[in-house]
Amino acid sequence: EAGVTQFPSHSVIEKGQTVTLRCDPISGHDNLYWYRRVMGKEIKFLLHFVKESKQDESGMPNNRFLAERTGGTYSTLKVQPAELEDSGVYFCASSRGLAGGYYEQYFGPGTRLTVT
Amino acid sequence: DAKTTQPPSMDCAEGRAANLPCNHSTISGNEYVYWYRQIHSQGPQYIIHGLKNNETNEMASLIITEDRKSSTLILPHATLRDTAVYYCIVRYPLRTGANNLFFGTGTRLTVIP
Repeated sequence: EAGVTQFPSHSVIEKGQTVTLRCDPISGHDNLYWYRRVMGKEIKFLLHFVKESKQDESGMPNNRFLAERTGGTYSTLKVQPAELEDSGVYFCASSRGLAGGYYEQYFGPGTRLTVT
Repeated sequence: DAKTTQPPSMDCAEGRAANLPCNHSTISGNEYVYWYRQIHSQGPQYIIHGLKNNETNEMASLIITEDRKSSTLILPHATLRDTAVYYCIVRYPLRTGANNLFFGTGTRLTVIP
């Protein structure tokens, strides 16, 4: 089966611009997660979708970040306006099953975002 | 979820077993131990998990002490492709709501030719 895919693999934008990252989870996976690693820091959780619903968005840093998962398939993460501290690698992961059970998370290759 | 402590880095000779330790002294009875790794420029990859019995799969073995306060991930025959950062994560298996993973700093394993 195809793995988790993310687009683009790299994005370079200027401060103040908008960027939209896309994640396609493994087909049939209800759970979709966004994580990010900013320079020199640990991988941090951003939010969790169960199908199209936001289950947990406690890790979203501020209201410049907007995540959507229309139809419960792919997800987008929009950063508007981007700031320098948003630079890092954004990972998407998916897992099977509904909320209430933990299943192995499969990660995508990440999108490297550079804000200049 | 319980806190884990791992050494920041380790070296291992190619072909030898790599033993990566993890301390989780505050683990509770229902928390599992999970291991993930991140190879450079890739997303994290699930390796193995266990509760209290030792576990083995095609990638690795997981040895959990009887008191469950520590565990060891064993890569039986390390290859250069096993060079990565290894994360030990302790969490509940079944919990409504937060199912996110908490990644610490991990152990950077370098397999030496």
